[in-house]
Amino acid sequence: DGGITQSPKYLFRKEGQNVTLSCEQNLNHDAMYWYRQDPGQGLRLIYYSQIVNDFQKGDIAEGYSVSREKKESFPLTVTSAQKNPTAFYLCATRGNRTYERQYFGPGTRLTVT
Amino acid sequence: QKEVEQNSGPLSVPEGAIASLNCTYSDRGSQSFFWYRQYSGKSPELIMSIYSNGDKEDGRFTAQLNKASQYVSLLIRDSQPSDSATYLCAVNMINNFNKFYFGSGTKLNVKP
Repeated sequence: DGGITQSPKYLFRKEGQNVTLSCEQNLNHDAMYWYRQDPGQGLRLIYYSQIVNDFQKGDIAEGYSVSREKKESFPLTVTSAQKNPTAFYLCATRGNRTYERQYFGPGTRLTVT
Repeated sequence: QKEVEQNSGPLSVPEGAIASLNCTYSDRGSQSFFWYRQYSGKSPELIMSIYSNGDKEDGRFTAQLNKASQYVSLLIRDSQPSDSATYLCAVNMINNFNKFYFGSGTKLNVKP
């Protein structure tokens, strides 16, 4: 969706290395999210943040870390503690209206060998 | 029990037919319901959202919500091969509009 950028589109890393995925938004949305998607599967929530300097663990937070120092940015670090990091990672945002939907970035495909 | 359940499919329909995709949810506190379409390797894109019981139509798409039965569906009329994708159902709760739950998705194949 327009207004959310994720970089890079494809990322390759060696096993044992930490890697940081970027997510930037210019939608002025308070809430930001990171999801992981494996082939043929739905979206699983890693972390989400409802406001700057605050974030909550999702269902699969182990092996991941985040920060929310600025409203526009919500980077995700995949640490070496994550057992199976190869996946498609999606960043999303949500505005403040009651029935607001989520908006998704284009995604980053991470391959760890 | 998962919060949101979908039949993984694949659901195969001939071109021009009606495709019916179903989603059930477990929490009666669910407030907002969303259908996203996702092509392989791409990010999800919103197709429909619905908040009240009944039907909501937008072009070839109709979303149906039945809160008593905890059931939401998406009908695609005059299905086209370009509709072939995975359809994700998402739900969020009245007590936390910032928390969303996704189903695992239904893969739809529309055969020419």
